[in-house]
Amino acid sequence: QKEVEQNSGPLSVPEGAIASLNCTYSDRVSQSFFWYRQYSGKSPELIMSIYSNGDKEDGRFTAQLNKASQYVSLLIRDSQPSDSATYLCAVNMFSGGGADGLTFGKGTHLIIQP
Amino acid sequence: DVKVTQSSRYLVKRTGEKVFLECVQDMDHENMFWYRQDPGLGLRLIYFSYDVKMKEKGDIPEGYSVSREKKERFSLILESASTNQTSMYLCASHSGSYNEQFFGPGTRLTVL
Repeated sequence: QKEVEQNSGPLSVPEGAIASLNCTYSDRVSQSFFWYRQYSGKSPELIMSIYSNGDKEDGRFTAQLNKASQYVSLLIRDSQPSDSATYLCAVNMFSGGGADGLTFGKGTHLIIQP
Repeated sequence: DVKVTQSSRYLVKRTGEKVFLECVQDMDHENMFWYRQDPGLGLRLIYFSYDVKMKEKGDIPEGYSVSREKKERFSLILESASTNQTSMYLCASHSGSYNEQFFGPGTRLTVL
């Protein structure tokens, strides 16, 4: 059973603080991990991808991957009200070949309080 | 920039109608996907295609079919729409080994 788990929230963070979003996944052989941001009524937007253990930074965003613990996280520094959205964790769980779709968590609703 | 477009943002159909949802991408991507998104259930994969005329079932293919006659276009077909197919439908595409998928704006389908 392919599963990606996220805390649904809401996660409330003061403006300017660090928001920390977490995700665990079930398939040990997963290779590719993604974070999407989704505003209400809009489609998901890719904001980070990570493929190897460790940290990957892009502007105010840092993705962290620990394959041994089957854990991936997203840190948002200097949080802004515009960061308020639902964040979806997605994992590419290979099932033997072909271009398998992503398995998504149900998302964490993040609220940045001014 | 990758651009994925979907034929309609909002669609209202009646039970039993045949429904076509169209998706077009302009980046020459081999791989295209159809998902549906429902509150409390998240995004779930319906079908995907990795080449023209090729298709693979995702996690919830029942009640749906797909067509890919041209590389840039991937259609989702509801043969006989039912109320439980009321949902947000999202198309995505990618090219390459890392599966970075880019989504279209979505079609919110209501079946009455």
